[in-house]
Amino acid sequence: GENVEQHPSTLSVQEGDSAVIKCTYSDSASNYFPWYKQELGKGPQLIIDIRSNVGEKKDQRIAVTLNKTAKHFSLHITETQPEDSAVYFCAARRTSGSRLTFGEGTQLTVNP
Amino acid sequence: DSGVTQTPKHLITATGQRVTLRCSPRSGDLSVYWYQQSLDQGLQFLIQYYNGEERAKGNILERFSAQQFPDLHSELNLSSLELGDSALYFCASSVVARTGDTEAFFGQGTRLTVV
Repeated sequence: GENVEQHPSTLSVQEGDSAVIKCTYSDSASNYFPWYKQELGKGPQLIIDIRSNVGEKKDQRIAVTLNKTAKHFSLHITETQPEDSAVYFCAARRTSGSRLTFGEGTQLTVNP
Repeated sequence: DSGVTQTPKHLITATGQRVTLRCSPRSGDLSVYWYQQSLDQGLQFLIQYYNGEERAKGNILERFSAQQFPDLHSELNLSSLELGDSALYFCASSVVARTGDTEAFFGQGTRLTVV
C-alpha cells in the first residue's frame, strides 16, 4: 500500500520567516496530494491540494510543489504568522474516492 | 465549519464497555471515512463507506465495526474497549465523482478516553 513520509516532525521559525515541510510517497499511482492543518482540539482542515497534472499551486502565503519523478511534494508558507502555529499533515490518494494516506505530521511553531 | 458533524465530542468509559460514535457527513456527500488519531501520532485509516456499503478497510480491529445508514450518517461501534483504544476518532466525508478527485472534509472528532 501507499506509504507517506513527512519531515521534519517539528519546525520552529520566527514570525515573518518562511517554513517548508516535505513529504515523500511510495505509490507512483497516487495522483492527489492535499495538505491539512490541525489546530489543538480541532479536526484537520484542508488548506491546499495539488493534483498530479500540476507542478505547483499557490494560494496567498501558501504554496505546494510536486515532483512526480522523485515522488515528493512540499508545503511552503511565507511570511509566517503566530496563527500559522499548528500541526500540518500531508496526504496522498490513489484514485478518486479512495482513502487518504497521511504523513506523521509536522508541529509548526511560529515565534512572535 | 466543515459541515461534517460528529457526536459526542467527548466520551469517557470503562474498559470492557461498548460505545457508538456518530457522524453526519456534509450534505450530498456519499462517502464517509473513519480515522483514528492516537496521542502524538498521525491519522490511521479505519474504514470507508460509500452510499451505504463498505468500500475499503484499513487497520480496523475486529472489536470495531461501522455502518452507514440510508440517510448517509455513519456510526462507528467500538466494543470490549481497552486502554489503548483511547484516541481521537475522526470522520471525513467526500463526494465520489467519476471524472475527478474531490476533497475530504473532516469533522471535529470524538475524543474517547477509556479508564
